[in-house]
Amino acid sequence: EPEVTQTPSHQVTQMGQEVILRCVPISNHLYFYWYRQILGQKVEFLVSFYNNEISEKSEIFDDQFSVERPDGSNFTLKIRSTKLEDSAMYFCASSVIKDRDSPLHFGNGTRLTVT
Amino acid sequence: ILNVEQSPQSLHVQEGDSTNFTCSFPSSNFYALHWYRWETAKSPEALFVMTLNGDEKKKGRISATLNTKEGYSYLYIKGSQPEDSATYLCALPGGGADGLTFGKGTHLIIQP
Repeated sequence: EPEVTQTPSHQVTQMGQEVILRCVPISNHLYFYWYRQILGQKVEFLVSFYNNEISEKSEIFDDQFSVERPDGSNFTLKIRSTKLEDSAMYFCASSVIKDRDSPLHFGNGTRLTVT
Repeated sequence: ILNVEQSPQSLHVQEGDSTNFTCSFPSSNFYALHWYRWETAKSPEALFVMTLNGDEKKKGRISATLNTKEGYSYLYIKGSQPEDSATYLCALPGGGADGLTFGKGTHLIIQP
């Protein structure tokens, strides 16, 4: 069964450094998402991406965050200058149609630790 | 802000017993409700997407019901097995942005 893959599984970075989290969504899916879960808290929506542009973003997704689909298969999340509070598990997801009607297919996540 | 509440937060169940837990949400402006199962070290896996009041969906020993008028959904597991141990997440679209708003989950542990 096709799956969403994320790399790396764990990333440790120093405060102020840039990180890029990578995802390969399922190939025939059209909608792509990033979610995160800070330890002990709820899974939170960051951003959705459709037709090569951001569809929606939450308040969390400020100017430090950006997303890109550079080559038609990878979907990346960049954090320009990481803060301690960015430490979380970051999940990429994709869906065939808009997430209101369609289940999301999640990757295994990237655990980001900012020191 | 969309408030999605799940209870209980954690649950220990004996193997072979049946169990259920709840997702509560505001009944106004309901569109759909998602259930996911999240096993440790794996990705959250979609169980159901429910849209109609009174709907019941089933997948093997797991089933879910939906009451949009009173704002709750139940997830039932019949004859629990160790492989059912996971965190069960409920999520709804809405809450001021695109994307799903998740509850905190119910952490289910099946004891052999």
